[in-house]
Amino acid sequence: ELKVEQNPLFLSMQEGKNYTIYCNYSTTSDRLYWYRQDPGKSLESLFVLLSNGAVKQEGRLMASLDTKARLSTLHITAAVHDLSATYFCAVDATSGTYKYIFGTGTRLKVLA
Amino acid sequence: DAGITQSPRHKVTETGTPVTLRCHQTENHRYMYWYRQDPGHGLRLIHYSYGVKDTDKGEVSDGYSVSRSKTEDFLLTLESATSSQTSVYFCAISDWAREGYTFGSGTRLTVV
Repeated sequence: ELKVEQNPLFLSMQEGKNYTIYCNYSTTSDRLYWYRQDPGKSLESLFVLLSNGAVKQEGRLMASLDTKARLSTLHITAAVHDLSATYFCAVDATSGTYKYIFGTGTRLKVLA
Repeated sequence: DAGITQSPRHKVTETGTPVTLRCHQTENHRYMYWYRQDPGHGLRLIHYSYGVKDTDKGEVSDGYSVSRSKTEDFLLTLESATSSQTSVYFCAISDWAREGYTFGSGTRLTVV
């Protein structure tokens, strides 16, 4: 059974600082996704990582995937208040069915 | 999100009553999913569909049934609502040619 773990679960950081969110998963998969959710809102797709070594960047966020280590990271550079949200990673459980197993989420709060 | 709508947005129902949630898409995507979101659990897959009349169970399917008689509609039914089914329910769609889910706005269901 595929398990997806994120850490930390909660993260409070100062504006301008850097930090990394980690997503570990328990079985082989080469497809990993990152989503953002604002309070009371739906989930918005951030990154799609489809192969070992994939790296995607958008603004102050950069995501990477190491399929051998079963690890993805979401790196935040010079955080700003607008990045405050909950971030989820999701792993494709079974190739071809596109069933995603989600992590429990990381709630990020960026303090001015 | 454009192309996928959920109804109702909010619902309060009594224990023991049946409840149906609707997900409607205009994207002609093959895959549709129902997830529930609860604090501390992230998103958990209830049921999914990979085509008209083709559905399968997810990790938390007990007490739920689904139907998909048309490509555009995916219905989730709580056969006899219980307080443990109080949650936010998200529908998602996916197209094999475009990785990642698009989520609906969610339905907040309260069972009293």
